[in-house]
Amino acid sequence: DGGITQSPKYLFRKEGQNVTLSCEQNLNHDAMYWYRQDPGQGLRLIYYSQIVNDFQKGDIAEGYSVSREKKESFPLTVTSAQKNPTAFYLCASSMGAGTFLYEQYFGPGTRLTVT
Amino acid sequence: AQTVTQSQPEMSVQEAETVTLSCTYDTSESDYYLFWYKQPPSRQMILVIRQEAYKQQNATENRFSVNFQKAAKSFSLKISDSQLGDAAMYFCAYRAGTYKYIFGTGTRLKVLA
Repeated sequence: DGGITQSPKYLFRKEGQNVTLSCEQNLNHDAMYWYRQDPGQGLRLIYYSQIVNDFQKGDIAEGYSVSREKKESFPLTVTSAQKNPTAFYLCASSMGAGTFLYEQYFGPGTRLTVT
Repeated sequence: AQTVTQSQPEMSVQEAETVTLSCTYDTSESDYYLFWYKQPPSRQMILVIRQEAYKQQNATENRFSVNFQKAAKSFSLKISDSQLGDAAMYFCAYRAGTYKYIFGTGTRLKVLA
């Protein structure tokens, strides 16, 4: 079955440590995205990537970094510079920019707790 | 700037009844897509329905339908014959010609037995 996997489902880290969230898709989608979701808020875009080896900052990129070395993979690193990292993180993918026709598909999410 | 507004933080509906969730958006684009996503307690985002702005006909998916008013920039979701499994957060989303999707803040739907 095609889809998006995120691991782990729950992640706990100590303050000051960097942590990397995994996102893999086998949908052959060009574009991939990372969102952050906080209680009572919608989805806020952290980073997105339209093609391999290229990515752009979203609305709240500070304290985060990404890489896109393979089409299938788009890992997100939450660095110690992120002031409030505890949140629910969603990865998504879609057909590439220029194709109006397609919605985003989402992974199951990772709940990150930093203490 | 493009924005999506969901003015109802929470709605309730009796099982088997009909409920309408509101969404308005602001854009200067003429071609764009609109979506409704459902996020149940599992937090998995699920596409409910989508609407192409160039289509005048409102989209329908089984018990879910939209009322798309392009001039008013309104995109409401109607759920007919509500079921307990419809209880979730519902997000309205917009996409224009680029990669970017804009999401509303969501409406929590409660279904009363």
